[in-house]
Amino acid sequence: EDQVTQSPEALRLQEGESSSLNCSYTVSGLRGLFWYRQDPGKGPEFLFTLYSAGEEKEKERLKATLTKKESFLHITAPKPEDSATYLCAVTRSGAGSYQLTFGKGTKLSVIP
Amino acid sequence: GAVVSQHPSWVICKSGTSVKIECRSLDFQATTMFWYRQFPKQSLMLMATSNEGSKATYEQGVEKDKFLINHASLTLSTLTVTSAHPEDSSFYICSAIRGGSGTEAFFGQGTRLTVV
Repeated sequence: EDQVTQSPEALRLQEGESSSLNCSYTVSGLRGLFWYRQDPGKGPEFLFTLYSAGEEKEKERLKATLTKKESFLHITAPKPEDSATYLCAVTRSGAGSYQLTFGKGTKLSVIP
Repeated sequence: GAVVSQHPSWVICKSGTSVKIECRSLDFQATTMFWYRQFPKQSLMLMATSNEGSKATYEQGVEKDKFLINHASLTLSTLTVTSAHPEDSSFYICSAIRGGSGTEAFFGQGTRLTVV
């Protein structure tokens, strides 16, 4: 059974204080690892897809990296508007297999 | 990015009535759509996978007669909660896979269902 574990569950940062969110996964044949941002009462917003170990992707203050066992979402000099829950999800390789298995998320609060 | 529109964003209904939620992919064709349910402070729980023109595949423990899914076209899937009860109150979210080389799933805005 695929498993995704995110840590920490919650993280409070001062504005400008850089940090990283962790996503550990267990899946039999990784097709892709996904990061999403979810604001309260909204659906998840797609951020990144990573497909192979060593891959990195960046978007503004966010950078996602991937190893064979985990992924990190690095946030550099965060701003209050970066406050949200960040979700990690994986899909398994296999024909027609696009189902996402989600972690419980990390709730990020950035304090001005 | 691809846009998925979900409607309504919130609905309140009386116990015993049915509610229909629509999920549309606005700028791409989605051969596969998914329906999720999310409880407070919990992650998304997959309810069913919907493929255009065929019957939905339900996850274990999800009542297919209560949660009716129809995927009649490449841009529209609907979820009908039949004979709703207060325990069906939740946040329902759809997602759609954009075809081609990508495998990214794009999500709707979610529907907050409250059954009174």
